[in-house]
Amino acid sequence: DGGITQSPKYLFRKEGQNVTLSCEQNLNHDAMYWYRQDPGQGLRLIYYSQIVNDFQKGDIAEGYSVSREKKESFPLTVTSAQKNPTAFYLCASTATGPTGELFFGEGSRLTVL
Amino acid sequence: SQQGEEDPQALSIQEGENATMNCSYKTSINNLQWYRQNSGRGLVHLILIRSNEREKHSGRLRVTLDTSKKSSSLLITASRAADTASYFCATDLNQGGKLIFGQGTELSVKP
Repeated sequence: DGGITQSPKYLFRKEGQNVTLSCEQNLNHDAMYWYRQDPGQGLRLIYYSQIVNDFQKGDIAEGYSVSREKKESFPLTVTSAQKNPTAFYLCASTATGPTGELFFGEGSRLTVL
Repeated sequence: SQQGEEDPQALSIQEGENATMNCSYKTSINNLQWYRQNSGRGLVHLILIRSNEREKHSGRLRVTLDTSKKSSSLLITASRAADTASYFCATDLNQGGKLIFGQGTELSVKP
């Protein structure tokens, strides 16, 4: 089945640790996105990539890093510099250019202990 | 900063009633999209309306767009308990791939 797979679904981290969230798609989409969702605040854009080996910062990129070495994969690293990393992270992709509908993964919930 | 603001933040109705959610935005858009999210899940695309369109239908969904008022509405007719979810509008500002999401409307449909 075609779709977007995020892993892990739940992740616990101690303060000071970096963690990497995986996002893989087999939809042959060019553009991929990472959003953060906090209760009552909707989705905020962290990073996005429109082509392999290229990515741009979104509205809240500080404390995060990404790579786009393969078309199918867009991992997100939450670094120890992120002050409040506990959140629900959503990965998405789109095929029809930057204005097309987004296809989302099921999300990864990160909790910092 | 959030581009879209949704109203109401929460809506509770009985099965069979219609549900209307509104989205207002601040700057010119290329298109506006509506998404649905069940609790703890990813978002699912519902409908996209372009800036030169005024109304669109998809099954029980009806979306309107008023660019002069910078607002859109999503109407769900004959609601069902399975429609219980959060609904988000998202605006494409034609800024190189960025979709800006509103804070969402939490819809509860009681059987």
